[in-house]
Amino acid sequence: QITLRESGPTLVKPTQTLTLTCSFSGFSLITRGVGVGWIRQPPGKGLEWIALIHWDDDKRYSPSLKSRLTITKDTSKNQVVLTLTNMDPVDTATYYCAHTDLAVAGTGFDYWGQGTLVTVSS
Amino acid sequence: EIVLTQSPGTLSLSPGERATLSCRASQSVSASYLVWYQQKPGQAPRLLIYGASSRATGIPDRFSGSGSGTDFTLTISRLEPEDFAVYYCQQYGSSLTFGPGTKVDI
Repeated sequence: QITLRESGPTLVKPTQTLTLTCSFSGFSLITRGVGVGWIRQPPGKGLEWIALIHWDDDKRYSPSLKSRLTITKDTSKNQVVLTLTNMDPVDTATYYCAHTDLAVAGTGFDYWGQGTLVTVSS
Repeated sequence: EIVLTQSPGTLSLSPGERATLSCRASQSVSASYLVWYQQKPGQAPRLLIYGASSRATGIPDRFSGSGSGTDFTLTISRLEPEDFAVYYCQQYGSSLTFGPGTKVDI
């Protein structure tokens, strides 16, 4: 059974760096075709893709956020960590991590965490 | 970056009716990379369709996807009460983008 859970601060101040951890179980990030992505959703708005890391450590970033993002994986801990620098109130959103497997769901995210709401405010 | 446009923004229908949702891309998208999700209030998105037309595990056959190039469609053949939600399309070419969503309400 695949599960993912996001953890991190619920409140950050403007200009601070956000660090979120996705802890997962039920799959391995060394399996060919598997990836973990981050997607966010501002309150009442649509989905925005942020970053994606693949089994082979290939990393992809949203062009609009690339300069502020880092995604890493720790396969021994079954975790993926996202950092987003220079936080701004417009970054207030629910942040989701999600699983993808090319062999099972193509380029879709088939398992999602429950999401964590991050508010940016002084 | 490929921009996805979804129409209509809101679709008002009744249970039992057919829903047809459109997703149009600003440039051609490989059908292999076109995905649809359903999202209900307070919940994470749920994968419905991948590869433009393949249903994800556990998705009822009233959901179907079609299309190619720049035009893709999600069809719900007979709306059930639990289908009233927001639907997003997503593509993953050189980058990954979501459409703005279509709300299906009663």
